[in-house]
Amino acid sequence: QLQLQESGPGLVKPSETLSLTCTVSGGSISSSSYYWGWIRQPPGKGLEWIGNIYYSGSTYYNPSLKSRVTISVDTSQNQFSLKLSSVTAADTAVYYCARRTTRAWFDPWGQGTLVTVSS
Amino acid sequence: QSALTQPPSASGSPGQSVTISCTGTSSDVGGYNYVSWYQQHPGKAPKLMIFEVSERPSGVPDRFSGSKSGNTASLTVSGLQAEDEADYYCSSYAGSNNLVFGGGTKLTVL
Repeated sequence: QLQLQESGPGLVKPSETLSLTCTVSGGSISSSSYYWGWIRQPPGKGLEWIGNIYYSGSTYYNPSLKSRVTISVDTSQNQFSLKLSSVTAADTAVYYCARRTTRAWFDPWGQGTLVTVSS
Repeated sequence: QSALTQPPSASGSPGQSVTISCTGTSSDVGGYNYVSWYQQHPGKAPKLMIFEVSERPSGVPDRFSGSKSGNTASLTVSGLQAEDEADYYCSSYAGSNNLVFGGGTKLTVL
């Protein structure tokens, strides 16, 4: 059964870069049938798509975040990563990683990790 | 791209049916049959309930159904049960490998 697990610092200072990794187990990240995505949810608010990556390295980002987001993949480690630069308090959220199909639905999801931006 | 529009709340009594709407534009909901719905209980990760407008993943009760008309997609929960109380989010493909979510609907079982 495919499982995803987010990891990374839970506290990031304003203006610094948020870095998270998603480790995929129970399946290969190199499958040609799927993308791998990041989604976030500020406390008490809704979901926001951040971006996706294909195993080949092709990336697709939310236009509203594109200037600050980098998603990368490490097929040897079966992991993909998120970097969000110049963070502010508005970037405080639970960050989820998930597998995305070519038909744009996410399943399964990781459990999520809360990242707080504060000095 | 703007978030899809969902009502903030919906409610129904046990055994009743409730429908949650998700309104977008011809560039997202209306343009593709790639609408999905997610259920999220407090403190938990979202769970896929409907994909490609009306398809149900294995294990999701057939009380959950989806449909679409024009730029509006809908999720219907029939035979409401206490465990259906949760937040529900719609999502749609928006072209050029972009995706957009709805603002979410809090479903209360009275």
